[in-house]
Amino acid sequence: GAGVSQSPRYKVAKRGQDVALRCDPISGHVSLFWYQQALGQGPEFLTYFQNEAQLDKSGLPSDRFFAERPEGSVSTLKIQRTQQEDSAVYLCASSPRRDPPFEQYFGPGTRLTVT
Amino acid sequence: GENVEQHPSTLSVQEGDSAVIKCTYSDSASNYFPWYKQELGKGPQLIIDIRSNVGEKKDQRIAVTLNKTAKHFSLHITETQPEDSAVYFCAASKFGGSTLGRLYFGRGTQLTVWP
Repeated sequence: GAGVSQSPRYKVAKRGQDVALRCDPISGHVSLFWYQQALGQGPEFLTYFQNEAQLDKSGLPSDRFFAERPEGSVSTLKIQRTQQEDSAVYLCASSPRRDPPFEQYFGPGTRLTVT
Repeated sequence: GENVEQHPSTLSVQEGDSAVIKCTYSDSASNYFPWYKQELGKGPQLIIDIRSNVGEKKDQRIAVTLNKTAKHFSLHITETQPEDSAVYFCAASKFGGSTLGRLYFGRGTQLTVWP
């Protein structure tokens, strides 16, 4: 079946621009996670949704980062006033479980480059 | 928070040989340990996971062992093939607490299998 999809796959933004990254989870998956992966590093947690509720946003690095999942399916990660340090791959993962442990299935990621 | 250390950072083996990747974790409350394979330009793919009530789990050529007392877990790949070449990540998570469900990743191991 269809896996997690993300768009765009690549995004180049000038410093100061706003960007929006989209995640389409596996159909029926209630839990959704966002991670940030810097070059040569493991993914780092940003935020977690169960259906439309954002239950944990403690990993968001600054108030320029905002995520939403208004209908409990598609999610959008928005970054305002992008900075060079925001350059990374942004990964979305979904899980069919609403309780841990969450077997998380990742999308291909969006590579963001801020110039 | 949790700290996951992974070794080695690079590993080269001959086709048919075995490969072992080791991880340690710091939070004794962690109880779910997945392993991911990430190929170039793709998102991490869940290949095997283990929960803390189990010491070992096998799936064909892949096995994972867990030593809760020592707080370390390992991935074993037997009869390696060139298509096993990728970056492998270990991760840790726990069922409860404020960090519910989030995965803490190691820094990855670049495995190269030479034909």
